[in-house]
Amino acid sequence: KAGVTQTPRYLIKTRGQQVTLSCSPISGHRSVSWYQQTPGQGLQFLFEYFSETQRNKGNFPGRFSGRQFSNSRSEMNVSTLELGDSALYLCASSLPPAGQQYFGPGTRLTVT
Amino acid sequence: AQSVTQPDIHITVSEGASLELRCNYSYGATPYLFWYVQSPGQGLQLLLKYFSGDTLVQGIKGFEAEFKRSQSSFNLRKPSVHWSDAAEYFCAVGAESSGTYKYIFGTGTRLKVLA
Repeated sequence: KAGVTQTPRYLIKTRGQQVTLSCSPISGHRSVSWYQQTPGQGLQFLFEYFSETQRNKGNFPGRFSGRQFSNSRSEMNVSTLELGDSALYLCASSLPPAGQQYFGPGTRLTVT
Repeated sequence: AQSVTQPDIHITVSEGASLELRCNYSYGATPYLFWYVQSPGQGLQLLLKYFSGDTLVQGIKGFEAEFKRSQSSFNLRKPSVHWSDAAEYFCAVGAESSGTYKYIFGTGTRLKVLA
């Protein structure tokens, strides 16, 4: 089976812009989670989607949003980018209810 | 609230030496427990997991971990470290919350291996 894929792998944006990141889970996985990883804060949970519904949400401002499509692919969007949004954004898919998570390679977002 | 603590931010060992990375968790019941490894610029790869049963779990790349309920610990061990093991290691807990499961990660331990 193909692994979790994330596009794009690298992205450079300027403050105030918005960005959309994409994640394709492993075939058959219906749960997709998103994490933000920074040197200072470590791995922080953003949100989880299952069957097109957001099941869990971390402690991030409303500028961070996501969605999941019927084929389980997921996107996350960050509006009005700030310098502090520079991070590695990781997507993980899993089989419910609490199976191991399989991580994608991440999208490295740099905000200038 | 659930939490995961990895007390060692950095660890340096010589190649061939044994390794133990510590992980403590806080959770009311027995959680699902995981160890992941991350190489620079890469995603996380699962090393091993504990759901139930035998408290000594074998993983990939020669790693093992032991679940100790009385100490709320899930320490990762390897008898002989290889230079390629240099990476960052994350302990994680899968904990039930309002009918779903949330994954909580520790802050990571960065391993350096001396030749």
